[in-house]
Parts: sequence; structure tokens; C-alpha cells
Amino acid sequence: TQLLEQSPQFLSIQEGENLTVYCNSSSVFSSLQWYRQEPGEGPVLLVTVVTGGEVKKLKRLTFQFGDARKDSSLHITAAQPGDTGLYLCAGLPSSNYKLTFGKGTLLTVNP
Amino acid sequence: DADVTQTPRNRITKTGKRIMLECSQTKGHDRMYWYRQDPGLGLRLIYYSFDVKDINKGEISDGYSVSRQAQAKFSLSLESAIPNQTALYFCATGTRTEAFFGQGTRLTVV
Repeated sequence: TQLLEQSPQFLSIQEGENLTVYCNSSSVFSSLQWYRQEPGEGPVLLVTVVTGGEVKKLKRLTFQFGDARKDSSLHITAAQPGDTGLYLCAGLPSSNYKLTFGKGTLLTVNP
Repeated sequence: DADVTQTPRNRITKTGKRIMLECSQTKGHDRMYWYRQDPGLGLRLIYYSFDVKDINKGEISDGYSVSRQAQAKFSLSLESAIPNQTALYFCATGTRTEAFFGQGTRLTVV
């Protein structure tokens, strides 16, 4: 059973479109993190959300942590080809200290 | 210099051989992790350590062992490599709210 479910698994869009990817769980997390990974490289941290209902913005990226701290979303406005990559959510469940990852959303932004 | 350094970057080994993957970090964090990444399966936790005297199994520890030689060094060993251990391996360090990854070791077992 996957503790963190990400959707969609694959997403291919045109430059300029908006998109949202989701990270859901039935468990409560003390924090959730979003990473971006490019081929041949390790994941790079984009943001950490800690408080239920928290919204963080990073340029065209908006991250939200659910009120119950069980889910999160990543919204990208006016996507660009440079946004292409694998987006991973990860978190520390409140019940243990294992940093757990979802399977990721592979985003392709076409010029 | 990278904050988290993994060696080697690529390795091809034969079935049954013992192999060690090394990781060192300059972030000064106590927590260190080993993950493997397979297509369609995401990052799966092999082992994690919260300090030099603390070693914990992750979700897929069978066939692997680790050693935390110092706060900055955490190595992963495959005692007798098998083909289904072919994968991309990542070491990470961090705190409760962030993790920093190495560039990965691509391991192929033939």
C-alpha cells in the first residue's frame, strides 16, 4: 500500500497552460515536501509545508497543505518547458520518522 | 563541491559479488537515508540513520546492509548482488522538514 498517492502519474501539456498535481494520503503528516527531479540527477527540494491549510508560493508554483495535513497540491501557472521534470511529494508521517515518497508525477511541457 | 557526494556514480557488477556504495555529506545533519529508485515505483527507503549509533530498516532492507562510520558518512552494501537490485540508488541527508540528495549511483547487476 502506497502511503502517498500522487496524481496524475503522467501529464503532458502545452507551454502557457496551467496545471495541478495532487498528493493524497489517509495518514496525517507532520510536514509534506515537494521535490523536482531531472533525468540523471537527485531530487531537489522545492518547498516544505508544515501547517494545515498553509499556502506557499515560489514564482509560478503554488503549494497548498490540506487542513487535515493529509494531502497537498502543487499548481503551476503558465507552464514553461523548463518546468519539465518528475515532481515528487514526500512526508514524515506523524506515526513514525520515515521520510516517505510518492511515486511522482512526470510533467512534460511542450513548446 | 556537492553537499552530498556519492561514489561511484556508475557501477556494473556480477551476480554474487559484494559491492559497497559510499556517501558523504557536508551539511552537518544527523539524519541520513538510502533510497533506491525504479521506474514506476518511485523512491523506496532502504535504511535510515538518525545518528552514528542509530540504524533503522526501511521498507526494502532485505539483501542490503549499512554502516554509519561517522556523522558525515553512510555506506550501503550489497552482500551478494542479484539482478533485481539493478536500480538507481540515492543517498540523502536532512532534517525533519527537508532532505538533500546526492546525484545517485546507477548500479547494474549482470
